[in-house]
Amino acid sequence: DAGVIQSPRHEVTEMGQEVTLRCKPISGHNSLFWYRQTMMRGLELLIYFNNNVPIDDSGMPEDRFSAKMPNASFSTLKIQPSEPRDSAVYFCASTTGSWTADTQYFGPGTRLTVL
Amino acid sequence: RKEVEQDPGPFNVPEGATVAFNCTYSNSASQSFFWYRQDCRKEPKLLMSVYSSGNEDGRFTAQLNRASQYISLLIRDSKLSDSATYLCVVGLSGNTGKLIFGQGTTLQVKP
Repeated sequence: DAGVIQSPRHEVTEMGQEVTLRCKPISGHNSLFWYRQTMMRGLELLIYFNNNVPIDDSGMPEDRFSAKMPNASFSTLKIQPSEPRDSAVYFCASTTGSWTADTQYFGPGTRLTVL
Repeated sequence: RKEVEQDPGPFNVPEGATVAFNCTYSNSASQSFFWYRQDCRKEPKLLMSVYSSGNEDGRFTAQLNRASQYISLLIRDSKLSDSATYLCVVGLSGNTGKLIFGQGTTLQVKP
């Protein structure tokens, strides 16, 4: 299996621009998670989906962030407009079911820099 | 107060040393517990699950104390390749799949 796939791997953009991050979960996995990691705040859960339905988006920092999962094999995280404080590594992870004991498999991450 | 707290370190130890990491969690209803490992500029990966009875995987031993809400990881005979950040992770009750990650403890094993 190819594992969780994320694109792009690196993104450099200017403040005010729209940024779209993409994720393809492992085939057959029912839950998908978006995380953000910074030195100051560590790994933070932004939003997660179960069977393509958003379950908890309480971690989304503000209205500039939005996420969608139109089907079982694709999800996007969009930031519009982007700000320098959004600079971080964004990880997508997936797991087989909705039980917390399931291992979460992470993608390689997207390193975002907003100038 | 953070939901999962760890000493960030860094822990600098010589090869062959035994090192222990600790972690506390605040939600007494937490149901599942893990240690993940994250190498520099890489994604986190599951190292091992943690069970109430304690469990061992080679040189790694994990312990859980539910009464004290405390999790530990012991690494024996440290190798250079053990250098990484170790994340303490707690799963909340209910079938949501949601995990809460600690900030991580950095280990540097030196020759």
